[in-house]
Amino acid sequence: RKEVEQDPGPFNVPEGATVAFNCTYSNSASQSFFWYRQDCRKEPKLLMSVYSSGNEDGRFTAQLNRASQYISLLIRDSKLSDSATYLCVVNGGDMRFGAGTRLTVKP
Amino acid sequence: DTEVTQTPKHLVMGMTNKKSLKCEQHMGHRAMYWYKQKAKKPPELMFVYSYEKLSINESVPSRFSPECPNSSLLNLHLHALQPEDSALYLCASSQGKGYEQYFGPGTRLTVT
Repeated sequence: RKEVEQDPGPFNVPEGATVAFNCTYSNSASQSFFWYRQDCRKEPKLLMSVYSSGNEDGRFTAQLNRASQYISLLIRDSKLSDSATYLCVVNGGDMRFGAGTRLTVKP
Repeated sequence: DTEVTQTPKHLVMGMTNKKSLKCEQHMGHRAMYWYKQKAKKPPELMFVYSYEKLSINESVPSRFSPECPNSSLLNLHLHALQPEDSALYLCASSQGKGYEQYFGPGTRLTVT
């Protein structure tokens, strides 16, 4: 079993849609969690850290469920510029990346 | 300022060449990382330096040799690479292990 697993996608959604990504992790001792976005041929950029109480940044909401060992990312009112690959990252001693979920937002 | 810089942006090298990749950050971060990323795959951790000491080496072949001259700089020395080593090499830094990482733009390496 992979340490960090994500929905493989791809997700193709119209502008304005709400889309949710899930990610599960196997190391119950993991302490910190992040979502990154990566555009084609660019470096990953931190989108948001994920806190136990859940957190929101504009149209983006991240949640953590330690009991079930999963994190989620919700994007509301999708924009064309949200098209990217979203990477779930879990730190259980060192950082482990999920395989990424490709999102395409269409007009 | 959350900038991590990497040079060169692109590198083409033969299998007998020796080259080095460079990474620099001025955020006062004490952990620095090298990752390798192949197309359509997530980054794979290669090395971690924490307080200028190598703390994680993910069983990377010896043809890759990291060096951390000081807390702001990280190098990756390359020697006798194989074509399958062609990839995007990403450097990242963080306040410490476990904190969010900031990535440089990467060096796109082609081994011929």
